[in-house]
Parts: sequence; structure tokens; C-alpha cells
Amino acid sequence: DSGVTQTPKHLITATGQRVTLRCSPRSGDLSVYWYQQSLDQGLQFLIQYYNGEERAKGNILERFSAQQFPDLHSELNLSSLELGDSALYFCASSGYRREDTIYFGEGSWLTVV
Amino acid sequence: SQKIEQNSEALNIQEGKTATLTCNYTNYSPAYLQWYRQDPGRGPVFLLLIRENEKEKRKERLKVTFDTTLKQSLFHITASQPADSATYLCALDRGNTPLVFGKGTRLSVIA
Repeated sequence: DSGVTQTPKHLITATGQRVTLRCSPRSGDLSVYWYQQSLDQGLQFLIQYYNGEERAKGNILERFSAQQFPDLHSELNLSSLELGDSALYFCASSGYRREDTIYFGEGSWLTVV
Repeated sequence: SQKIEQNSEALNIQEGKTATLTCNYTNYSPAYLQWYRQDPGRGPVFLLLIRENEKEKRKERLKVTFDTTLKQSLFHITASQPADSATYLCALDRGNTPLVFGKGTRLSVIA
């Protein structure tokens, strides 16, 4: 158990809809990351938050947004969903040092039909 | 842009042999490199970190090398076991932005 909690574990929704994925980081971790993993693209970095503020942005679509709340949990919002958004979405957390280990949650499986 | 290549999508070896996985990168000189294990449908799990000034790092049956001249890291599992079957990902530090991951190599250890 990594200590990172993600909900929901599985989600099936229709095209055009909006979903919210939730993440609770490891106790004490200030950094939260979101990654998307699909079969053909591998693990793609989406966005990072540190202590409530956006720290880095990767290949995140404009239809996607995220935030980190004062209690450090984070949400990833995916809107106007398309079939190609079907993937495994991981949240991860780490400490403040650059070399700190990144701990991944078990992921949220999103299927868009 | 930076590119990370892991030598093959899949690798099959006999139990007891040494598995060697390769990670090559271009267009960057990372300060460190990490290796992760990922089981199907699960999140990646950190295994080892090696810094640019370290040639080799060991942990139990695992060994990682880092050649900054060749821009390559090798990941070895000695005395491999069926329980070592998983996908192994290498990840590079890019400075002030989060790790970038390779697509992984799926290792199957056959009894």
C-alpha cells in the first residue's frame, strides 16, 4: 500500500460527459502529480501541484483541469469526454525534495463509451 | 524533445537467469534516473534511483548501471523468479519538471 488513495477505481461514462477523479496523497506529502496511462502512449505526465499551487504542466488537454485543496487532496476534472480519453489515470505524491520518491496510487480506470 | 527508449516491449527469460533491461535516452543529461515496477492494473512502484555521478547501484537481486556517455541505463535482475514478472519502467529527471517515463519493458520469467 503506497498510502496514496484514488477514487473511483472504475468509471464508465458516455462521450461528452464530465467526470471528477479524486486523490488523497500520502500523509505529509505536499506534491501531487497526475499521470495518464494508455496502451499506446505509456505513462504521460499531466500536471503537478505543490502545496495548493500549480507547479508544472505536461500534456494536459484544455478540457482537463485539476486543483489541490488546502487539505492537500487533489481532483482531476475531465470534461467533454471523448473515446480517446479512456485510460488509467494515476495520482502520485512525493515530498518536497527533487529526488524524493514518487508514490503512485492504484489508479482510476476511465472508460468512455 | 527528449526521448526515452526501453529496449523492447517484452522480454522472456528462464527462471534463474539474469534479466537485463535497457533504457536509452536522448537530448538531455538527467541528474538521476529511476526504475519502477508495474504490475497489471496497478500503480508503478519505485525500485531504485541512480545519480549521474554513480556508476552502479544495487539492492538485493537488483542492479542498475548509469552510463552518461552512452546515455544509457541497464537494469539487471539476477536469479530471476516468476514473481519478478512485471513491466519495468525507467524514468528520467528533467530538472525542475517531473519525471518522464519510458513505455516500459514487460518481463516474463518462465519456470
